[in-house]
Amino acid sequence: GQQLNQSPQSMFIQEGEDVSMNCTSSSIFNTWLWYKQDPGEGPVLLIALYKAGELTSNGRLTAQFGITRKDSFLNISASIPSDVGIYFCAGQQASQAGTALIFGKGTTLSVSS
Amino acid sequence: DGGITQSPKYLFRKEGQNVTLSCEQNLNHDAMYWYRQDPGQGLRLIYYSQIVNDFQKGDIAEGYSVSREKKESFPLTVTSAQKNPTAFYLCASSTRLGDVLGQPQHFGDGTRLSIL
Repeated sequence: GQQLNQSPQSMFIQEGEDVSMNCTSSSIFNTWLWYKQDPGEGPVLLIALYKAGELTSNGRLTAQFGITRKDSFLNISASIPSDVGIYFCAGQQASQAGTALIFGKGTTLSVSS
Repeated sequence: DGGITQSPKYLFRKEGQNVTLSCEQNLNHDAMYWYRQDPGQGLRLIYYSQIVNDFQKGDIAEGYSVSREKKESFPLTVTSAQKNPTAFYLCASSTRLGDVLGQPQHFGDGTRLSIL
């Protein structure tokens, strides 16, 4: 099955730095979702995007639905140690209505204080 | 509190044995899903179900079976045919399967399966 191209695969940053990650696909998507997974737990939904160009914030997190509908970005500002975890993008392909979401392979974020 | 409960948290299986992972939700969601997570592989879809008594294979269904006899429950059986079952298994649910727009999935806290 198709997977999204999520990058970078991992990031090692200092506390206080800003973080940016993205997901891309060759297909058009109608929905983009961003999740965070803490070690040993299930992913938790951070932000949902439903319209091309949409920019949505959740605290220090901001995500955007790309204009081409083939990509999405997640930014974290002023990172803190509890931001550590795996971030997943997920999407619903426009041509695959009625199917399950497609997930990226995740970006593992490490924050040193 | 509404949510998804997976049990057990840790499970050990002997070679040649079938094991069943439990997933229960009280969110009144129609759709339920099972994923397998391996390091660096992301989430891979095993099976999903849109309604009771109906389910579809995902990308890696071989060696697994499911049932959906009740709306709240979607158990996954890892059979002896699954040659590499050691992984973290996640169950999820959503209000329904997305038609035009994707529906956010809510996840349980997972079951870690290991081979003895």
